[in-house]
Amino acid sequence: AQRVTQPEKLLSVFKGAPVELKCNYSYSGSPELFWYVQYSRQRLQLLLRHISRESIKGFTADLNKGETSFHLKKPFAQEEDSAMYYCALRGGSNYKLTFGKGTLLTVNP
Amino acid sequence: DAMVIQNPRYQVTQFGKPVTLSCSQTLNHNVMYWYQQKSSQAPKLLFHYYDKDFNNEADTPDNFQSRRPNTSFCFLDIRSPGLGDAAMYLCATSRVERDPPYNEQFFGPGTRLTVL
Repeated sequence: AQRVTQPEKLLSVFKGAPVELKCNYSYSGSPELFWYVQYSRQRLQLLLRHISRESIKGFTADLNKGETSFHLKKPFAQEEDSAMYYCALRGGSNYKLTFGKGTLLTVNP
Repeated sequence: DAMVIQNPRYQVTQFGKPVTLSCSQTLNHNVMYWYQQKSSQAPKLLFHYYDKDFNNEADTPDNFQSRRPNTSFCFLDIRSPGLGDAAMYLCATSRVERDPPYNEQFFGPGTRLTVL
């Protein structure tokens, strides 16, 4: 079975502060991990995926297989980063996604 | 330009009255998904179509059914909505290739269903 846990329902930081949204997963094989984001009044959209190893909007995420984590980080949060963030996992040859419950990030001015 | 369109955005129905939600896509993707999302919960996959092949999740209630008459359209039918079926329903699409087996899912804006 595959499971994604986002321990923080809400996260509030000030503009310019570092931010880290936590994601832990449970999967016996080699997973593929993603972060999806939903800005206010917008649809859910892909932010980044671990195999791309790229930084999107200043966000990065590293897959740590030892700790089964895929935390999303940004060194300096901006107000426009305020959104709902979902971590998602795809396992093996399965193309379906399992989502976490999401973390609502608020960046205060 | 909308790529995954869901209609209506808000749907109100009565307890036990059948309701249909629709999803259309302009991406020509081969896979279409339906998710149910309740407040403060993860999107939960109900079923998906891989081309014309219907794939039901094991825990999806029989009350939920789906149709995909062509590549562009997919419908979610709730035969007898209960109060517990009130939720946001998300449609998503992806182009799934054999290798790699996954491609990005594109989501619609969702339909919020209220059951009175």
